[in-house]
Amino acid sequence: DIQMTQSPSSLSASVGDRVTITCRASQSISSYLNWYQQKPGKAPKLLIYAASSLQSGVPSRFSGSGSGTDFTLTISSLQPEDFATYYCQQSYSPLMYTFGQGTKLEIK
Amino acid sequence: QVQLVQSGAEVKKPGSSVKVSCKASGGTFSSYGITWVRQAPGQGLEWMGGIVPISATANYAQKFQGRVTITADKSTSTAYMELSSLRSEDTAVYYCARWIVGSTGQFDYWGQGTLVTVSS
Repeated sequence: DIQMTQSPSSLSASVGDRVTITCRASQSISSYLNWYQQKPGKAPKLLIYAASSLQSGVPSRFSGSGSGTDFTLTISSLQPEDFATYYCQQSYSPLMYTFGQGTKLEIK
Repeated sequence: QVQLVQSGAEVKKPGSSVKVSCKASGGTFSSYGITWVRQAPGQGLEWMGGIVPISATANYAQKFQGRVTITADKSTSTAYMELSSLRSEDTAVYYCARWIVGSTGQFDYWGQGTLVTVSS
């Protein structure tokens, strides 16, 4: 199985901050990496697909980069509605689409 | 506007089975896959498996092999996930999502979730 490891597991930041979350795959997954945002009691929401493509309707302050084994999600200027948990997910191996453990972004 | 509407919450006894439905609207059901992801209380997301309705081909995470069955009814644009031999550890919210099959593999639209509680 391909393991996905996110760092940090939790993060405190302030409105207006630039934030970066990292996701590392246990083997190369090319650009088959997606990012989701989840708020308490809600379904996940797709933010970024194929490592760097912004999903329709997602604000441009979200961006993704990386390929191979190392990926990042960046929020350029945190807004109050961005405080949530973020998950990466590999879609390289169709028999086992694994998620990272999540990064909880909290208000400082 | 793509929408996935799931069936309501369930309470089940250990050893029994549960079947959750996911009705799609606003898109071409057979052109995409449907995948199932679960989330235990306070935990992360866990992929269970998915189905491509046009071919009725399903694949499952190894962890759930033999216990989960995912099916799809093209006539009603509804997918189903049945989990058997339930145990307390299966208590979770179960989500369906639309799966972009064959290219980038992302899950772009999600259902609202169905809470399944396994308790004696």
